[in-house]
Formats: sequence, structure tokens, C-alpha cells
Amino acid sequence: GNSVTQMEGPVTLSEEAFLTINCTYTATGYPSLFWYVQYPGEGLQLLLKATKADDKGSNKGFEATYRKETTSFHLEKGSVQVSDSAVYFCALSDVQGAQKLVFGQGTRLTINP
Amino acid sequence: DAGVTQSPTHLIKTRGQQVTLRCSPKSGHDTVSWYQQALGQGPQFIFQYYEEEERQRGNFPDRFSGHQFPNYSSELNVNALLLGDSALYLCASSLANSYEQYFGPGTRLTVT
Repeated sequence: GNSVTQMEGPVTLSEEAFLTINCTYTATGYPSLFWYVQYPGEGLQLLLKATKADDKGSNKGFEATYRKETTSFHLEKGSVQVSDSAVYFCALSDVQGAQKLVFGQGTRLTINP
Repeated sequence: DAGVTQSPTHLIKTRGQQVTLRCSPKSGHDTVSWYQQALGQGPQFIFQYYEEEERQRGNFPDRFSGHQFPNYSSELNVNALLLGDSALYLCASSLANSYEQYFGPGTRLTVT
């Protein structure tokens, strides 16, 4: 079945550092790929998405590129801020329709000032 | 424009009891999905409702059931609660043919 694997956390960085959170997936066909962010005590917010190979999703300084050849969708940001501290989830959508999302286990990111 | 809302925020139940959680979708959305998020884990898909019918179901037992009303709001029911049902239950809404799902803040269920 479809699955998503994220790099294990927690990840701790200093403000203005470069961020990479790795995500790889297993799926039949060509799913859409997503990054969601969950701030403490809140639900999930869609951060960015990509719907086909080589698409780059971007939002709030975060970027991720859909790499079909490596089945990856790594999240990057050039200069993180304390406000980026949260849990980040990589997810894919079921290509069979019905929009079922399959999530990775999440990566907790802490940014120190 | 109100986003996805869920009630209640927190709930404490005893093993064997039954619980009902509620969700109102984002304005204009007609599809509601439910997810269970155990502590420290990613959300797991429970089921999805569209046009008042269950359209797809994840790997959850029949103790988990749902309903969608004509106004697109939805309920999640869990019978015969187990300690392992303790989790954050997330509702997400979307348009029928869109991959973008918008999540509510969740209901934290604790089973003692």
C-alpha cells in the first residue's frame, strides 16, 4: 500500500539556519504530495503541495520539489525563524480518488533564538 | 469565512462508553474526512463522507461509524471505547474533486 517515510526528529536548529526535512514515499501511480504543519494545540495547516513530477510547491519561504525518480518530496527553507517551530507532516493523496491522505509520522522542529 | 469547526474540544470517557464527535466543514465544502492522530504519530484516515454516504474507509473497526447531514456537517461515533482510542480526532473538509483538505483543530478524546 501507499506509505510515507519522514526523517526522524526532533530537529533543533538556530534561527537563520538552513532547514531540510526529508520525505520519501511509496505509491502506485502518481499521487499528489503535501506538507502540512501543526502548531502546538492546533490542527493541521496545509503548507504547500505539488501535483505532478518536477512541480515545486512553495509557501512562506518553504519549498519542496516532487521528484519522481527518487520518490522524494523534501522540505527546505533557507533561513528559519523561531515561529517555524512546529511539527511537520509529509503526506500523499490516494490516486484512486476519494482524497484519502496518507501521512508520515511527523518531524518536530524547534528553532532556538 | 469560518473554517472547519469541531466540537467538543476535549472529552473524557470511560472504557466501554460511546462518544459522538461533531464537525462543521468550511463554507462551500461538501466532503468531510475523519482522521485519528495518536500521540506522536501522523494522522490515520478513518473514513470520508460525501453526499451523506461513506465513500471510503480506512482500516478501522466497525465500532467507528459516521454520518453526514444534508448541510454537509458530520458526526463520528465510536462505540465500546477502548483505552487505545485515546487520540486527537481531526476532521477535514474539501470539495468533492479537490485534493486540498482543510483541517479543524481537532477533538482530544481521553479514555480512562
